[in-house]
Amino acid sequence: DQQVKQNSPSLSVQEGRISILNCDYTNSMFDYFLWYKKYPAEGPTFLISISSIKDKNEDGRFTVFLNKSAKHLSLHIVPSQPGDSAVYFCAASVPSWGKLQFGAGTQVVVTP
Amino acid sequence: NAGVTQTPKFRILKIGQSMTLQCTQDMNHNYMYWYRQDPGMGLKLIYYSVGAGITDKGEVPNGYNVSRSTTEDFPLRLELAAPSQTSVYFCASSFDSSYNEQFFGPGTRLTVL
Repeated sequence: DQQVKQNSPSLSVQEGRISILNCDYTNSMFDYFLWYKKYPAEGPTFLISISSIKDKNEDGRFTVFLNKSAKHLSLHIVPSQPGDSAVYFCAASVPSWGKLQFGAGTQVVVTP
Repeated sequence: NAGVTQTPKFRILKIGQSMTLQCTQDMNHNYMYWYRQDPGMGLKLIYYSVGAGITDKGEVPNGYNVSRSTTEDFPLRLELAAPSQTSVYFCASSFDSSYNEQFFGPGTRLTVL
């Protein structure tokens, strides 16, 4: 049973434009959400996170929005750069569990 | 700090062979994890450990075993390899279970033929 879903397997965006990645979850006990970025032949690297007491968190070009009532979060990348081409994973946890549930990932391609 | 290191990077096994995937972290993290990633899928948790001497099953533990004798090391053992275990394996660590991110190693690509 997939508790974290990324329904768009791929996204193509022009350099300089906004990339919007979406993630839905089903377990209302999740209260900490993370985005990871993964390049080919490397391990995932942490990008940004948000706890359920917030609805927005920014870090430079990256902003994560959380809508708890809709069980939905999104990652905005503005402006998109060629180095942002990677697979992005959404993850969720109940911190007391010590475990993360991952979505299937979205492949982002930033074109010149 | 090297972070999380994994060996080997690649391995081809024959059906029925066994092997151990090594994972070491130098961040003094209490929690360590093993994931597998199949093509087009997210990461699935195989086993995790909350400290030396303590391990627990994740979502997909069948066919694997782990041990945690030290804080730094968390090896994953495959007994009687099967083609279904062809995957990329990632080890990760975190300081604790609260609002902390997990740090990942570079992965081991395993093929079972």
